[in-house]
Amino acid sequence: DTTLTQSPAFMSATPGDKVNISCKASQDIDDDMNWYQQKPGEATIFIIQEATSLVPGISPRFSGSGYGTDFTLTINNIDSEDAAYYFCLQYDNVPLTFGQGTKVEIK
Amino acid sequence: EVHLVESGGGLVQPGRSLRLSCAASGFTFDDYAMHWVRQAPGKGLDWVSGISWNSRILGYADSVKGRFTISRDNAKNSLYLQMNSLKTEDTAFYYCVKDVRGADTSGFDYWGQGTLVTVSS
Repeated sequence: DTTLTQSPAFMSATPGDKVNISCKASQDIDDDMNWYQQKPGEATIFIIQEATSLVPGISPRFSGSGYGTDFTLTINNIDSEDAAYYFCLQYDNVPLTFGQGTKVEIK
Repeated sequence: EVHLVESGGGLVQPGRSLRLSCAASGFTFDDYAMHWVRQAPGKGLDWVSGISWNSRILGYADSVKGRFTISRDNAKNSLYLQMNSLKTEDTAFYYCVKDVRGADTSGFDYWGQGTLVTVSS
């Protein structure tokens, strides 16, 4: 199984900050990684596909980078609406696995 | 607009069975693979099982293999999860999720709101 180690588990940011969330895979998964945003009581939103591609309709303040084993979700000019739980997913092999998630708080 | 609505959750005793359903709308259901994902309260996400557009099983998590069965009915735009021999550790919110692809997987693009399964005596 591919283990995804996501960090940090929690972060507190000020509006306007640039935020980086890391996801490291235990084996090479090419670019078979997606990123998601989850808010309490709302449906989970798909924000980055294939490691680097912004999902249509998602704010361009979000971006993804990485290939192989090291991946990063970046949120530029963070806004209060970005307060949420973020997690990564690898689909390179079964079982599909998730990172442990990052809770982002806006001060 | 894509809608995925889960039903069938509830309180069940250990060792008993439960069947979850997911009603899909807003897209051509039989073009896409579908999955079940679960999240225990306050915990991370776990993939449970996936099924291709033509009912080829993509796999099961080891923790549910032999106890859970995924299926779909394309005529009814519905996904199912038959859960047998339930254990307390199966307690979780269960999410119906749509795949980006049909025959294989590229991860998920839409999620339902989830249904809570509580396994307790």
